[in-house]
Amino acid sequence: DGGITQSPKYLFRKEGQNVTLSCEQNLNHDAMYWYRQDPGQGLRLIYYSQIVNDFQKGDIAEGYSVSREKKESFPLTVTSAQKNPTAFYLCASNTGSIYNEQFFGPGTRLTVL
Amino acid sequence: GQQVMQIPQYQHVQEGEDFTTYCNSSTTLSNIQWYKQRPGGHPVFLIQLVKSGEVKKQKRLTFQFGEAKKNSSLHITATQTTDVGTYFCAGPMEYGNKLVFGAGTILRVKS
Repeated sequence: DGGITQSPKYLFRKEGQNVTLSCEQNLNHDAMYWYRQDPGQGLRLIYYSQIVNDFQKGDIAEGYSVSREKKESFPLTVTSAQKNPTAFYLCASNTGSIYNEQFFGPGTRLTVL
Repeated sequence: GQQVMQIPQYQHVQEGEDFTTYCNSSTTLSNIQWYKQRPGGHPVFLIQLVKSGEVKKQKRLTFQFGEAKKNSSLHITATQTTDVGTYFCAGPMEYGNKLVFGAGTILRVKS
């Protein structure tokens, strides 16, 4: 089965802790994206990567970090510097063209207590 | 900065009524995509429009791209309970291969 996996589905962390969200795809896509979704605000781009070992900041990168060491994997770390980390995090991928649809993973709902 | 505005934010309709969501961009778009997110789910691609004035249909769903390529709409005829969810439009940012999403329209259908 081809697709994007994110784990875990639900994640709870204490304030001040860093946490890493995983995203894996077997679609052979070059580009991968991380979005944050809050109620009433749609999807906001955190980071994206067009190719292995390269990534760019999106609109709300502060307090987050990423790596792209393998084509299939694009983990997102939510650091303690992120002021309001509780949100629904979505990973997506595509071929890298704006004319190609993005495929989304099932998401991770992070709650910071 | 570049914005994609979507209205209404929320609509509650009786089953069988029609529904429309509108998307407006501050800049001319090369293309626009529409996604649907079911409650508790993730966005799923519905369609892409590329040409000025383009109209595409998927069963009860009709998608339009404005002549100036700055606005788009999604119209659902005779809504069903299976149509519930949030509908997003998304257009490419001016720089880089990335999309900017509208805030979405939440559709609820009363049976």
